[in-house]
Amino acid sequence: GAVVSQHPSWVICKSGTSVKIECRSLDFQATTMFWYRQFPKQSLMLMATSNEGSKATYEQGVEKDKFLINHASLTLSTLTVTSAHPEDSSFYICSADSGQGNSGYTFGSGTRLTVV
Amino acid sequence: QKEVEQNSGPLSVPEGAIASLNCTYSDRGSQSFFWYRQYSGKSPELIMFIYSNGDKEDGRFTAQLNKASQYVSLLIRDSQPSDSATYLCAVNMRGSGGGADGLTFGKGTHLIIQP
Repeated sequence: GAVVSQHPSWVICKSGTSVKIECRSLDFQATTMFWYRQFPKQSLMLMATSNEGSKATYEQGVEKDKFLINHASLTLSTLTVTSAHPEDSSFYICSADSGQGNSGYTFGSGTRLTVV
Repeated sequence: QKEVEQNSGPLSVPEGAIASLNCTYSDRGSQSFFWYRQYSGKSPELIMFIYSNGDKEDGRFTAQLNKASQYVSLLIRDSQPSDSATYLCAVNMRGSGGGADGLTFGKGTHLIIQP
């Protein structure tokens, strides 16, 4: 149980375009989902917390107008990188709280974004 | 500001030996502690979690927590070449309303198991 699907697994886009990444909880309902970013040889950095039916909470230094998060249902959260630039190239990973106590953080497989 | 510190390594351990990975954290309010394994280009996978002082064992893995010293460790017994990966320590503090809080990760320790 507790499977999180993330799509696409990799994407290449042109500078200035927007890219949408989907995160789905397949066998549980997730009221809270998290979006992380990982640059090469760095650790995962929490970008934002996505709550179903309400606005996302962004970490300090993360531009909410650039990284649009929508959590329209209990099983789907999306991250849209708007007007992407090469410096946005990174590994984006979502996770969901399955509500299984402290063990309940399930990660998606990640999305490798390359902006050219 | 929450911080999680790990030695980046690489930590080289001969096959069959015990690998010891260490982590310290700055936020005394941290309640839950996680160890993840991450292979290059892949998403982290959970190895263990611990939230009480002491040891917690699961197969070849033992997590140790000392909240007074703000210290967490992971021991891997009978190390195998397939254990070679980056090990990430992560902590979280559940929200006061019972809601989930995101994880703060360390930079990870690169572990190499030498055949």
